[in-house]
Amino acid sequence: EAEVAQSPRYKITEKSQAVAFWCDPISGHATLYWYRQILGQGPELLVQFQDESVVDDSQLPKDRFSAERLKGVDSTLKIQPAELGDSAMYLCASSLGTGSGETQYFGPGTRLLVL
Amino acid sequence: GEDVEQSLFLSVREGDSSVINCTYTDSSSTYLYWYKQEPGAGLQLLTYIFSNMDMKQDQRLTVLLNKKDKHLSLRIADTQTGDSAIYFCADISGGYNKLIFGAGTRLAVHP
Repeated sequence: EAEVAQSPRYKITEKSQAVAFWCDPISGHATLYWYRQILGQGPELLVQFQDESVVDDSQLPKDRFSAERLKGVDSTLKIQPAELGDSAMYLCASSLGTGSGETQYFGPGTRLLVL
Repeated sequence: GEDVEQSLFLSVREGDSSVINCTYTDSSSTYLYWYKQEPGAGLQLLTYIFSNMDMKQDQRLTVLLNKKDKHLSLRIADTQTGDSAIYFCADISGGYNKLIFGAGTRLAVHP
């Protein structure tokens, strides 16, 4: 069964350092999502791509976060500089499209700890 | 903005039924979802219901939707220890399939 791949699974960094996370969606899925899940909370959407274009980044802290999906396939989420409050699970998901009800399939996540 | 709320914790005995409740505010929600998250893992889609349905059954899972009260529930029959996890309710917001999640209900199953 096809799955969303993410790496690394775990990342420990010091504040002010740069970190990057990678996601490879299910083959053929045009829509890719990055969510942040703070411990004890539900996931919150950071950025959404349709192919290589951003369709929603309203909750992305653009002063330190950036995301790209250059060829419309895999994607990278970067944080520079990392802050203590960025410690969270970063989840990537994909779906066939953006139509209402298109099922989103999630990857295993990258757990980030900022010291 | 849209909001989804869930009770935070549920404890049940193995073999009993579990009922996890959720309320939402967006009256235009078209689909509502239940996801399961095991410790340290990503989210696994359990089931979903379209807004024109009142009930959906899928093996041990039964979803009930009360649109008037904006209330969604997930019933797990014959709950097993492997069902211990966090369960998230989510609905669709806006035109781009954005999911709005509740804070999750931690289900603990004891012998």
